[in-house]
Amino acid sequence: GDSVTQMEGPVTLSEEAFLTINCTYTATGYPSLFWYVQYPGEGLQLLLKATKADDKGSNKGFEATYRKETTSFHLEKGSVQVSDSAVYFCALSDVGGFKTIFGAGTRLFVKA
Amino acid sequence: NAGVTQTPKFQVLKTGQSMTLQCAQDMNHEYMSWYRQDPGMGLRLIHYSVGAGITDQGEVPNGYNVSRSTTEDFPLRLLSAAPSQTSVYFCASSYNGGETQYFGPGTRLLVL
Repeated sequence: GDSVTQMEGPVTLSEEAFLTINCTYTATGYPSLFWYVQYPGEGLQLLLKATKADDKGSNKGFEATYRKETTSFHLEKGSVQVSDSAVYFCALSDVGGFKTIFGAGTRLFVKA
Repeated sequence: NAGVTQTPKFQVLKTGQSMTLQCAQDMNHEYMSWYRQDPGMGLRLIHYSVGAGITDQGEVPNGYNVSRSTTEDFPLRLLSAAPSQTSVYFCASSYNGGETQYFGPGTRLLVL
């Protein structure tokens, strides 16, 4: 079945460091891909998404590119801030559009 | 718009008790779902609904019941609570299962 694998955390960075969180997926067909963010004590919220191969999603300085050849959707940010500390989830929607499948989540800590 | 609301925020149950977690959305979304979040396991789909009167099982449905009598509401029932059901429960809605999910703030459940 469809699945999402993302790098284990926690990831600890200093402010202004470069961030990469790896995400790879297994799916039949051409799923849509998402990154969600969860701040402490809150529900998940959409960070960015891409719906087809080579699309780049971007929001709040974060970017991810849908790479079909490597089945990847890595999250990047050039300069992280303390306020970026959160848990990040990679997800895909199945081709039928009935389900969204989430990765295990990666916790990010950013130190001042 | 209130978005997706969940009640209660926190609940303690004894083994064998039953309860209903409430979820409501005011965005006229057809698709609603329930997830549980456990450390290191990401979000796992419990049940979902593609419209009023239609529900289906997700990845971990055992011990839970759902119904969807209106577009707005999607309650989750625990029939006989067990310590293994200690978790954080999130309700989500979207136009369809493959689109952006909008999450509620979550219900933290402790079963003793």
